[in-house]
Amino acid sequence: ETGVTQSPTHLIKTRGQQVTLRCSSQSGHNTVSWYQQALGQGPQFIFQYYREEENGRGNFPPRFSGLQFPNYSSELNVNALELDDSALYLCASSPGRSETQYFGPGTRLLVL
Amino acid sequence: DAKTTQPPSMDCAEGRAANLPCNHSTISGNEYVYWYRQIHSQGPQYIIHGLKNNETNEMASLIITEDRKSSTLILPHATLRDTAVYYCIAAVISGTYKYIFGTGTRLKVLA
Repeated sequence: ETGVTQSPTHLIKTRGQQVTLRCSSQSGHNTVSWYQQALGQGPQFIFQYYREEENGRGNFPPRFSGLQFPNYSSELNVNALELDDSALYLCASSPGRSETQYFGPGTRLLVL
Repeated sequence: DAKTTQPPSMDCAEGRAANLPCNHSTISGNEYVYWYRQIHSQGPQYIIHGLKNNETNEMASLIITEDRKSSTLILPHATLRDTAVYYCIAAVISGTYKYIFGTGTRLKVLA
């Protein structure tokens, strides 16, 4: 157990809808990173938030957006869902920007 | 960012050492080597990391070659619970500390 929690655990949406995924970071951690993991692939970096500011972004379109709150919890929002957005979404928290990341259990999103 | 290459799968007998290789020939001086594992699509679990020197903790040992172009993760006494996908990652120290995952090695520990 890493102390990183994510909700919901599973979610089913239809194409074109919007979704919000949530992550509570481990106590004392001020950085949250989000990753997308398609079936059979390794996780891919979406973006990172450090002290409520975006601190880097991977190769994902703008319809993937995020927020970090003063308590360092975070949200990942995806607009205009596409079938290819079906994946396991992982968040990872770390004590600082350049520190080891500890992953939550993930949210499995299915887009129909 | 350095890309890592790992064999897609390996088997290991229970109780024996599991040696998982990773090639990271393009790694730069400011990139750490990290190892994580993932069991049944749970979140990846941190194992160990290093920069230049060999490292050991309660889970595993990490051997990094002198030129830093490859490394080996050693699980000294593999158990059935070590069956998982193991990822070797190169992570840049400064700026955005993002992990670039490959497809990993699927380790199967056999009874």
